[in-house]
Amino acid sequence: ELKVEQNPLFLSMQEGKNYTIYCNYSTTSDRLYWYRQDPGKSLESLFVLLSNGAVKQEGRLMASLDTKARLSTLHITAAVHDLSATYFCAVAHLNPYGGSQGNLIFGKGTKLSVKP
Amino acid sequence: DARVTQTPRHKVTEMGQEVTMRCQPILGHNTVFWYRQTMMQGLELLAYFRNRAPLDDSGMPKDRFSAEMPDATLATLKIQPSEPRDSAVYFCASGLVLTGELFFGEGSRLTVL
Repeated sequence: ELKVEQNPLFLSMQEGKNYTIYCNYSTTSDRLYWYRQDPGKSLESLFVLLSNGAVKQEGRLMASLDTKARLSTLHITAAVHDLSATYFCAVAHLNPYGGSQGNLIFGKGTKLSVKP
Repeated sequence: DARVTQTPRHKVTEMGQEVTMRCQPILGHNTVFWYRQTMMQGLELLAYFRNRAPLDDSGMPKDRFSAEMPDATLATLKIQPSEPRDSAVYFCASGLVLTGELFFGEGSRLTVL
């Protein structure tokens, strides 16, 4: 059974600081997603990582994937208040033949609060 | 601007009533998901369709929930009869397996009294 664990679950940061959110998963997968959710809102797609060693960056956020370690990281650089939100990682199941089955299992989310 | 459309956005109903939620996936997407989000359980996968065929509904209580895709432009999630523990936000998402893109709708917030 595919399990996805994020840590930390809560993160309070000062503006200008750097931090990393970790996402571990229990079985082999070929794709990993990062989403952002603001309170009462939908999930906004941030990154889709499709291969080992993939690294993607958008503004102050950078995501990476190590499929051998079954680990993805979301690194926040010089945090600003606007980044306050809950961040989810999600991992796709593989079918028995190794292809992506497509259905995603989500971690519990990391609630990020950036304080001035 | 392509988006996943869900209706209703909010629904308040009484225990025992039937609830139907609808989702219009993005045109051309071949996968559709239904997720339920609660504070306690987080995001739970209820059902997953590929090319309108149900591939996984193991997360869905079968005695009261049903999910269908009558055509490529409509996915439905039905609860009958509804119970207070069904109160949650229900999200629909659509995507393409090949590219990995997956987009979520705005959600349907259900309150069962």
